Amino acid sequence: DADVTQTPRNRITKTGKRIMLECSQTKGHDRMYWYRQDPGLGLRLIYYSFDVKDINKGEISDGYSVSRQAQAKFSLSLESAIPNQTALYFCATSDPRGGGYTFGSGTRLTVV
Amino acid sequence: KQEVTQIPAALSVPEGENLVLNCSFTDSAIYNLQWFRQDPGKGLTSLLLIQSSQREQTSGRLNASLDKSSGRSTLYIAASQPGDSATYLCAVRGLTGGGNKLTFGTGTQLKVEL
Repeated sequence: DADVTQTPRNRITKTGKRIMLECSQTKGHDRMYWYRQDPGLGLRLIYYSFDVKDINKGEISDGYSVSRQAQAKFSLSLESAIPNQTALYFCATSDPRGGGYTFGSGTRLTVV
Repeated sequence: KQEVTQIPAALSVPEGENLVLNCSFTDSAIYNLQWFRQDPGKGLTSLLLIQSSQREQTSGRLNASLDKSSGRSTLYIAASQPGDSATYLCAVRGLTGGGNKLTFGTGTQLKVEL
């Protein structure tokens, strides 16, 4: 099993719909992140969480919300999807003891 | 604000060639630097992680160096193979602020031709 698992892998949704992307990890790390990737813009941080009771906005949090259900689970919601939220979304976890980041395989989201 | 630049944006080489990918960053106050590989439409695979106190890391045909004072890192790939074709991303982890966030470059798209 992958260290970081994202579901779904692909999703097409209509403008205005609510959608949730899910992430779970088996690394045992407290820190989890959501990034989005757009062509030519690189990966940008949406939200991050250092533990179950800690949620922080990243650089592009508008239009998104998150929920940390457990140490291993971190979900991202789009309350009312819009076409410019079409992107590749990545969940990640990091080792706070100086280790690197581990990323999931991504969710390709298309908003029509 | 940390900015990460990768040059070149794209590179095409014949199989067997040794090559160097470059990464520069504007703020030298970093925790570590990580190189990733991304295949089209796929996730990120970690290649090498260099702590701020280290000068280089090696894994197989890959060698990454870090010069923190000048804000530069290079990824050296020896004896390139068609299977090395992918986008290579450099990312720096900050010391403070934003959850020690990871700032990414936009990547170098590598094609290794037969």
